[in-house]
Amino acid sequence: DTAVSQTPKYLVTQMGNDKSIKCEQNLGHDTMYWYKQDSKKFLKIMFSYNNKELIINETVPNRFSPKSPDKAHLNLHINSLELGDSAVYFCASSPDSGGTEAFFGQGTRLTVV
Amino acid sequence: GESVGLHLPTLSVQEGDNSIINCAYSNSASDYFIWYKQESGKGPQFIIDIRSNMDKRQGQRVTVLLNKTVKHLSLQIAATQPGDSAVYFCAENQAGTALIFGKGTTLSVSS
Repeated sequence: DTAVSQTPKYLVTQMGNDKSIKCEQNLGHDTMYWYKQDSKKFLKIMFSYNNKELIINETVPNRFSPKSPDKAHLNLHINSLELGDSAVYFCASSPDSGGTEAFFGQGTRLTVV
Repeated sequence: GESVGLHLPTLSVQEGDNSIINCAYSNSASDYFIWYKQESGKGPQFIIDIRSNMDKRQGQRVTVLLNKTVKHLSLQIAATQPGDSAVYFCAENQAGTALIFGKGTTLSVSS
């Protein structure tokens, strides 16, 4: 039974389109995250939610909007996709915010053409 | 820039050797450190963690060493196996913040 699952695993889309990536965790964790991994494998935090409330919002373009309908879900919506948005996006969760292990999903490889 | 970095982008070892992967961090307020392993096409997986009140922690075939004086973290893998081939990341944080990752070291194990 997958702990952190995200869909889709692969996403190929044209510039200018709007797309969403969904994430769900069944661990009962209070905190969820979105990370972006670039072509050089660098993992950078984008957002963090704790009990549906945004607690970390790094310097990310306004085109990226996270939505947390409940504490088990954190979806990522991206408007007006650009070539530079191509990356692997990872969802993660942890029992609370900071000082604990984060559990990662399998990633969504987004390719913008 | 990132607050955690790794000294070497790649490390190649022979099967059976011991591997040491190093990491330097810059935030002296960080109190929790963790090593992740990422295999191709997968998300990062937990290996071992350590809190700032410790300087060594051992797991199965892995040991993490923390030197707060020089802000250095290392991961030692004993008897490295081909299945250990992956990208290894160190990460740090403190309460209320998200894990901040370094750039990663690609470990290649040849048999």
